[in-house]
Amino acid sequence: NAGVMQNPRHLVRRRGQEARLRCSPMKGHSHVYWYRQLPEEGLKFMVYLQKENIIDESGMPKERFSAEFPKEGPSILRIQQVVRGDSAAYFCASSDGTASYEQYFGPGTRLTVT
Amino acid sequence: AQSVSQHNHHVILSEAASLELGCNYSYGGTVNLFWYVQYPGQHLQLLLKYFSGDPLVKGIKGFEAEFIKSKFSFNLRKPSVQWSDTAEYFCAVNAMGNTGKLIFGQGTTLQVKP
Repeated sequence: NAGVMQNPRHLVRRRGQEARLRCSPMKGHSHVYWYRQLPEEGLKFMVYLQKENIIDESGMPKERFSAEFPKEGPSILRIQQVVRGDSAAYFCASSDGTASYEQYFGPGTRLTVT
Repeated sequence: AQSVSQHNHHVILSEAASLELGCNYSYGGTVNLFWYVQYPGQHLQLLLKYFSGDPLVKGIKGFEAEFIKSKFSFNLRKPSVQWSDTAEYFCAVNAMGNTGKLIFGQGTTLQVKP
């Protein structure tokens, strides 16, 4: 019974490059949440997606960040032209939608921008 | 804006000591409340949750939490900590009708000395 999978676990990018973070939800889950944890801070909500739909992107930065959850395949969080301030741990959580407030978290992707 | 505050950023205890971690939230409506734990090198795991009913909830590993609506609090307790409880603890709130996104506190690092 696989849990939420994220890859890569660690990602190093130089300033200006693109970062793509992947999240495969738990089997049977079609709702995905992305959170970001900056150093010395708690997790901050970024975006909530269902298959092929963005439901709530109120926590997404206005520029350079985008997310998708296609009909097939994992959810992708994409950061274009990364800057040092994007260095953080990015966590994905999934739920089955019946009780969407109960979320199961993946191990996270630690992004380092050099 | 909704927010969650954890009063203790870093707590150091000896084994067998009692633990209480404070959590307060700011939201006037109905909420679902959670405590998550992140052991070193691992992903977030759900310790316990409150949706409705008995305000004293019991979770895994001997943890419990009490929801006091009048104080907007959801403090985490454990009568006797163990070295293996060394971890980071996060309080989180979901405001009902708010797409299921979680608002996290900044976390409390617990260090238990053997």
